[in-house]
Amino acid sequence: DAKTTQPPSMDCAEGRAANLPCNHSTISGNEYVYWYRQIHSQGPQYIIHGLKNNETNEMASLIITEDRKSSTLILPHATLRDTAVYYCISADGGSNYKLTFGKGTLLTVNP
Amino acid sequence: GAVVSQHPSWVICKSGTSVKIECRSLDFQATTMFWYRQFPKQSLMLMATSNEGSKATYEQGVEKDKFLINHASLTLSTLTVTSAHPEDSSFYICSAARLAGGPGELFFGEGSRLTVL
Repeated sequence: DAKTTQPPSMDCAEGRAANLPCNHSTISGNEYVYWYRQIHSQGPQYIIHGLKNNETNEMASLIITEDRKSSTLILPHATLRDTAVYYCISADGGSNYKLTFGKGTLLTVNP
Repeated sequence: GAVVSQHPSWVICKSGTSVKIECRSLDFQATTMFWYRQFPKQSLMLMATSNEGSKATYEQGVEKDKFLINHASLTLSTLTVTSAHPEDSSFYICSAARLAGGPGELFFGEGSRLTVL
């Protein structure tokens, strides 16, 4: 079973920020938080990952709470092409890359 | 970013035949590759972990004699669905972990859609 909880769906207006929450209350000290997304009928795409500090890259920002029990993925200016299922995954950041996918959040960006 | 390629991207076969799907890491070496299966409107389900030069490790409930995995080199893993039946119709996705890569160095292929008639 997935160790994270995400809302099943969210909507966002084009051009606005999309904030996707994730609960991972049982995350252990050596586990990272990974975010992937899957556009319909394609393989998952890596977005970002973090351990305890907030992270930012060209795609998104990841905000992790101080107790590490939850996080938020932020797409600063959502576009229609960001419509996808977003998966939040907690997993060992070492040599074990085994990722267990939950149901994710279907983000729909509306014009 | 790193590229993982799957072939074929889609295949239709008759019931009872075997189908081979290839997963290649195009610009990096991968000691470990993973195979997932995804049914319509469902999430990805991990089928097996494939390590170069050794036997694959299958998840509970996945038949190893039906889903044959071979990882003969650091850039190629293959999944063979033997004696395929309509219930094996699914979207099969592989992922590859970059050799000595750190967290986040896991890349997914585009997926292969199998339809068994």
